[in-house]
Amino acid sequence: DQQVKQNSPSLSVQEGRISILNCDYTNSMFDYFLWYKKYPAEGPTFLISISSIKDKNEDGRFTVFLNKSAKHLSLHIVPSQPGDSAVYFCAAASQGAQKLVFGQGTRLTINP
Amino acid sequence: SAVISQKPSRDICQRGTSLTIQCQVDSQVTMMFWYRQQPGQSLTLIATANQGSEATYESGFVIDKFPISRPNLTFSTLTVSNMSPEDSSIYLCSVDGWGNPNYGYTFGSGTRLTVV
Repeated sequence: DQQVKQNSPSLSVQEGRISILNCDYTNSMFDYFLWYKKYPAEGPTFLISISSIKDKNEDGRFTVFLNKSAKHLSLHIVPSQPGDSAVYFCAAASQGAQKLVFGQGTRLTINP
Repeated sequence: SAVISQKPSRDICQRGTSLTIQCQVDSQVTMMFWYRQQPGQSLTLIATANQGSEATYESGFVIDKFPISRPNLTFSTLTVSNMSPEDSSIYLCSVDGWGNPNYGYTFGSGTRLTVV
């Protein structure tokens, strides 16, 4: 049972444009949603999170949008930079359980 | 956020042997988590380790195969026992963000295990 899904295994975006990564979930009990970035041979790095009581959270070039009715969230990166090329994981957690449930990841490639 | 030192970074092991992975955190943390990322797959939680108590294992993972120690609030080990090629994965430890997922969990750099 895949509770968190990232249906796009890869995404290619031109430098300077907006990158939009999508994530869907099935468990309505999730309280927090997080995005991680992972380079090869490194552990995931936390980017940004959003709690279920909000619909938007912004941090610099990164904005996460949450649509609870659709059980969908997205990460917007603008403008996209070559250093943003990495695998991005969506994750979710419940306040009580605290463990993270991850999506399959989306490989983002920023083209010059 | 906490800084995690995970060792070894990679290893190639013979089937039937065991490997112990260590995670050292630069601050005291309540919960430590062990994840596995199989090739091309997502990160899957193996178990949650609290200091002074038995680890809590997720469905599909058992203590005999993945024994965990948590002797204090800054250190934990995960052992992959009686290894087979199917255990070839990246293993990662993680610590909670002050008990609130909204702060983001910190991950170690991972151990890339290849079983031959």
